[in-house]
Amino acid sequence: EAGVTQFPSHSVIEKGQTVTLRCDPISGHDNLYWYRRVMGKEIKFLLHFVKESKQDESGMPNNRFLAERTGGTYSTLKVQPAELEDSGVYFCASSLGQGKMNTEAFFGQGTRLTVV
Amino acid sequence: RKEVEQDPGPFNVPEGATVAFNCTYSNSASQSFFWYRQDCRKEPKLLMSVYSSGNEDGRFTAQLNRASQYISLLIRDSKLSDSATYLCVVNKRDSSYKLIFGSGTRLLVRP
Repeated sequence: EAGVTQFPSHSVIEKGQTVTLRCDPISGHDNLYWYRRVMGKEIKFLLHFVKESKQDESGMPNNRFLAERTGGTYSTLKVQPAELEDSGVYFCASSLGQGKMNTEAFFGQGTRLTVV
Repeated sequence: RKEVEQDPGPFNVPEGATVAFNCTYSNSASQSFFWYRQDCRKEPKLLMSVYSSGNEDGRFTAQLNRASQYISLLIRDSKLSDSATYLCVVNKRDSSYKLIFGSGTRLLVRP
């Protein structure tokens, strides 16, 4: 069974450009999360989808970040316009839903974003 | 203050050694506790959940002290393959199920 897949694995863009990251969760997982690790810092929560609905987006840094989850399947995270401080590794994770709070979250390998 | 605090290390130990990592969390509403392992440039992977009664998985033992808001991980008979960063992670009892990560403790096991 395929795990959580993220695309691209690496992205280098110039300040002011737009980048869209994609995440395909494990099939059947209702919960999808985006996390980010910037250099020298801990991994931080960005937002949480339950199916197609945003359950919690309290970790989104600002309105330059837009996340969507079309039809409750894959998710995209768009950064527009990108700033230097957006550089980091963006992880996507998914877990089973149905009220099972403590089910394991499986992480994708991440997208390493570098803004120059 | 960070919500989850860990000693960043690195802990440099010989093969066969026993090593212990500690972690404290600030939010008493935290409900679930985990240790994740992250290899260099890889994704975090769940190592084990941590229960109040303490739990063991082979060479790994995890303990939780809710009164002190303290979590520990003990690795016995260290292997070279144990070299990684160990992340202490907590989850608050709310509807978002979001994970709060510590910065990680780096372990280097030498031959």
